[in-house]
Amino acid sequence: GAGVSQSPSNKVTEKGKDVELRCDPISGHTALYWYRQSLGQGLEFLIYFQGNSAPDKSGLPSDRFSAERTGGSVSTLTIQRTQQEDSAVYLCASSLPLGGQRGSGANVLTFGAGSRLTVL
Amino acid sequence: GQQLNQSPQSMFIQEGEDVSMNCTSSSIFNTWLWYKQDPGEGPVLLIALYKAGELTSNGRLTAQFGITRKDSFLNISASIPSDVGIYFCAGSGTSYGKLTFGQGTILTVHP
Repeated sequence: GAGVSQSPSNKVTEKGKDVELRCDPISGHTALYWYRQSLGQGLEFLIYFQGNSAPDKSGLPSDRFSAERTGGSVSTLTIQRTQQEDSAVYLCASSLPLGGQRGSGANVLTFGAGSRLTVL
Repeated sequence: GQQLNQSPQSMFIQEGEDVSMNCTSSSIFNTWLWYKQDPGEGPVLLIALYKAGELTSNGRLTAQFGITRKDSFLNISASIPSDVGIYFCAGSGTSYGKLTFGQGTILTVHP
């Protein structure tokens, strides 16, 4: 697609429920990232996928958080047993394949508009 | 882990004024990026810097990659109302695009 598409744009859920957030990256972008932005805060890295390599899950805050990427394209971020502190905007980004060349755009992330999650 | 300190946290300026914001890092970065975020949107890339000492312009925006590779600044000249938003610096010190973001600078421009 023309840009990174995320759904839903807004999600309100009750504490303890599970939620799934979807990300459709730019066609041809093999790298995909999830970030979390809490109110008035910067962006917190959650997880990174690159091609068929094992994902970097080092930013996931707890084992209630998981993500998968099917077929090297669409990704789903799942939060189980949601808590109020999970309320935030979840941003997905994608980037070009890593070419190892500076200026190649490998480090340039294109973000989606985000999914705003509110846990009551 | 890597930390970025971005300042100022917020700025209130008059239309036409110049703006400067900066970021410092506790460790060396190989890439510095500056993003702008409008309400309800994801961050949009403004400028990318790949080489220490590099000075790059994009219209009224100018950014520099510090010589020490631990800092960067962004200048906006002759501000206009549509410059309003949150500006983030981001750096990458790894071989892939895992970016560390600053806390953001909220810019308000009064007509």
